[in-house]
Amino acid sequence: KAGVTQTPRYLIKTRGQQVTLSCSPISGHRSVSWYQQTPGQGLQFLFEYFSETQRNKGNFPGRFSGRQFSNSRSEMNVSTLELGDSALYLCASSASYEQYFGPGTRLTVT
Amino acid sequence: KNQVEQSPQSLIILEGKNCTLQCNYTVSPFSNLRWYKQDTGRGPVSLTIMTFSENTKSNGRYTATLDADTKQSSLHITASQLSDSASYICVVSAEGSNYKLTFGKGTLLTVNP
Repeated sequence: KAGVTQTPRYLIKTRGQQVTLSCSPISGHRSVSWYQQTPGQGLQFLFEYFSETQRNKGNFPGRFSGRQFSNSRSEMNVSTLELGDSALYLCASSASYEQYFGPGTRLTVT
Repeated sequence: KNQVEQSPQSLIILEGKNCTLQCNYTVSPFSNLRWYKQDTGRGPVSLTIMTFSENTKSNGRYTATLDADTKQSSLHITASQLSDSASYICVVSAEGSNYKLTFGKGTLLTVNP
């Protein structure tokens, strides 16, 4: 089985721009969760989607949004980028309680 | 507030030596505790998952213990190898919110030849 894939792997954006990250879960997995990882804060939960519905949400501002498509692929969008949004963005898919992480998208905001 | 604290923040050991990483949590009500290994530039990979009733779980040279009474867990690595160099992250799930996990900040382990 192919693992979780994320695109792009690296991204450089300027303050004020917006960005869209993509995550393709393991085949058959309907849950996709998104996390932000920074050296200072560690991994922080953004949101979780299940069958195209947002099921859980972390404590991030409304600039962070996501969606899930009927094939379970998910996208995460960040609008009006700030320098502090520079981080590794990870998605994880699951079919039960076990989560499988993708390699992440490294976002740098300049 | 649900929290997970890991110690030490970083650790350097020689190849072949054993080491133990610690995790203390205040997540309640407890559902399960996971240890992940994260290589630089990669996503975390699950090593073990333990529920309330389990107090030891092994995965090759990795052995995790859980004391639900004191809310402590440890990850013991035996006969370390260079490939064990990574960040080890303790993650706790509260009952009823299996996908809203509380993450520790990790212990960065460096294994030197």
